[in-house]
Amino acid sequence: GAVVSQHPSRVICKSGTSVKIECRSLDFQATTMFWYRQFPKKSLMLMATSNEGSKATYEQGVEKDKFLINHASLTLSTLTVTSAHPEDSSFYICSAREPGPYNSPLHFGNGTRLTVT
Amino acid sequence: GENVEQHPSTLSVQEGDSAVIKCTYSDSASNYFPWYKQELGKRPQLIIDIRSNVGEKKDQRIAVTLNKTAKHFSLHITETQPEDSAVYFCASDPGAAGNKLTFGGGTRVLVKP
Repeated sequence: GAVVSQHPSRVICKSGTSVKIECRSLDFQATTMFWYRQFPKKSLMLMATSNEGSKATYEQGVEKDKFLINHASLTLSTLTVTSAHPEDSSFYICSAREPGPYNSPLHFGNGTRLTVT
Repeated sequence: GENVEQHPSTLSVQEGDSAVIKCTYSDSASNYFPWYKQELGKRPQLIIDIRSNVGEKKDQRIAVTLNKTAKHFSLHITETQPEDSAVYFCASDPGAAGNKLTFGGGTRVLVKP
């Protein structure tokens, strides 16, 4: 099946710094990728839809200047958490649909656990 | 927008027994319903899915049923094993409208040996 790779798996940073998370689709092209955030023992919350070659679409309540998304190629999307604060600490997971019809299965990256000190 | 409710939030079963998780959705246009299993600290993994043109799908010990009229779908795990312990999420896909999945709140399943 389709494989989505995410890097890094863990990152610890200081308040005020920025962190970049990469999401890659392996062996398939993904014009659209999705970024989720997950708090401990909670469900997956969609943050934004990353669109190759155009601007990302953010969900209501998600600050686009805080969470910068770039989808510069058909296999790579990046999420940059800018000026990180402790409340940004969370598990961030990207995902992409395997090639196929518009509602083909969604596969997740292995996630990035961000800790802001 | 779509709203997905999932019950129960926690489920404890004895090894060998069956586990059932139920979800309801609000958007009648939804036509694709996947289920994900997430072990602690790991990614959600797709375990089974169903499309709106069928009422039931089975894969070994896992089955999913869909009632489009009532807008609910369920996950059934038979002969549970300790390795089935995880958090399970249902989701619905409205298809056109941005192609986004909406997830249920999750069910923490504990299979006791």
